[in-house]
Amino acid sequence: DAGVIQSPRHEVTEMGQEVTLRCKPISGHDYLFWYRQTMMRGLELLIYFNNNVPIDDSGMPEDRFSAKMPNASFSTLKIQPSEPRDSAVYFCASSLMGAGANVLTFGAGSRLTVL
Amino acid sequence: AQSVTQLGSHVSVSEGALVLLRCNYSSSVPPYLFWYVQYPNQGLQLLLKYTSAATLVKGINGFEAEFKKSETSFHLTKPSAHMSDAAEYFCAVSEAGRRALTFGSGTRLQVQP
Repeated sequence: DAGVIQSPRHEVTEMGQEVTLRCKPISGHDYLFWYRQTMMRGLELLIYFNNNVPIDDSGMPEDRFSAKMPNASFSTLKIQPSEPRDSAVYFCASSLMGAGANVLTFGAGSRLTVL
Repeated sequence: AQSVTQLGSHVSVSEGALVLLRCNYSSSVPPYLFWYVQYPNQGLQLLLKYTSAATLVKGINGFEAEFKKSETSFHLTKPSAHMSDAAEYFCAVSEAGRRALTFGSGTRLQVQP
């Protein structure tokens, strides 16, 4: 398996522009998570889905952020309009539901810089 | 609410020395606990997990961790550090029935030659 695939790996944009980050989870996984990593706040959960349905979006910072999962193999995280404080590394992770602990497999991340 | 605290944002050891990275958790019910490692410009990789089967958990690359309920701790150890162990290490917790993980603030491990 190719693992969790994220694109783009790097994005530099100007304040006010729309940013779309993409994620392809591992085939067969039924949970998908979006995390954000910054120096100041560490790793924060933004939102997660189960079978394409958002379960918990309490970590989404504000209305400028939105996430969708139109099918089991694709998810997007959109920021509109972007602001410099959104600069961070955004990680997507997926997992397979089963008894016991939930092991997340992470993608390589998308590094976003908003100027 | 569940949380983890990692003591020490930076730890430096000599090659061949013992590695000890500390993690304490706060959870109202027996949790699941994890250690992940992050190499520069990469995503997080699972090192090991505790799922209540055994209190001493062995992971990849010679790492292990011991769950101590009385101390609410899950410290990560490795008997002999290698240069390739230099990375950032994250402790994480989830409660039964909750699929998301809550991560600690991370500990950056430096290994000196």
